[in-house]
Amino acid sequence: EVQLVESGGGVVSPGGSLRLSCAGSGFTFSNAGMNWVRQAPGKGLEWVGQIKRISDGGTTDYAAPVKGRFYISRDDSKDTVYLQMSSLKFEDTAVYFCTTVQWDASMVRVDYWGPGTLVIVSS
Amino acid sequence: DIVMTQSPLSLPVTPGEPASFSCRSSESLLHSNGYNYVDWLLQKPGQSPQLLIYLGTHRASGVPDRFSGSGSGTDFTLKISRVEAEDVGVYYCMQGLQSPPTFGGGTKVEIK
Repeated sequence: EVQLVESGGGVVSPGGSLRLSCAGSGFTFSNAGMNWVRQAPGKGLEWVGQIKRISDGGTTDYAAPVKGRFYISRDDSKDTVYLQMSSLKFEDTAVYFCTTVQWDASMVRVDYWGPGTLVIVSS
Repeated sequence: DIVMTQSPLSLPVTPGEPASFSCRSSESLLHSNGYNYVDWLLQKPGQSPQLLIYLGTHRASGVPDRFSGSGSGTDFTLKISRVEAEDVGVYYCMQGLQSPPTFGGGTKVEIK
């Protein structure tokens, strides 16, 4: 069974830093591109960034609001992707989801999402 | 960035009846390969989003066939042939043609 589990959320002061983790299981993690998506309280979904699999260069891409402040990395030996967040702002308060695109045995797409971890930026 | 606009914002539905939602993009989502890079997701109350439709018309793995996607270019529709009580939640469209991927604001579906 494919699972993604985020951790590391919590309350942080404006300007502070936090590192989120997303552990994957049930699939070949090293073959997976990974995305982070966030959802502010009562709001819609917002893409945060992605990291490609190492075989595709392991490159990263970020949404404009977080570029230069957030950094995504991966450790395939631990089947884990990280979201390092710094210079946090009130507007970064959200549930952060990690998600991956996979394909089933019939080559039909199936996306997996973790349950999310809540980050609250508060003074 | 490509702007995704969904309508209506809210849709009361009756179990057993059909329902449809609209999504419009600010730019064409039709790739030269012939596919429209639009996904539909459902976020049920208290849950993470789940993929329903990808590339405009393809049902994701395990999705009931009462869900169907249509449209091309800038106008897309998600249809439910017969709504069930478990279909309540917020439906989002998302474009994957250009970075950054962008989501519509969502259509909230509630049972009448």
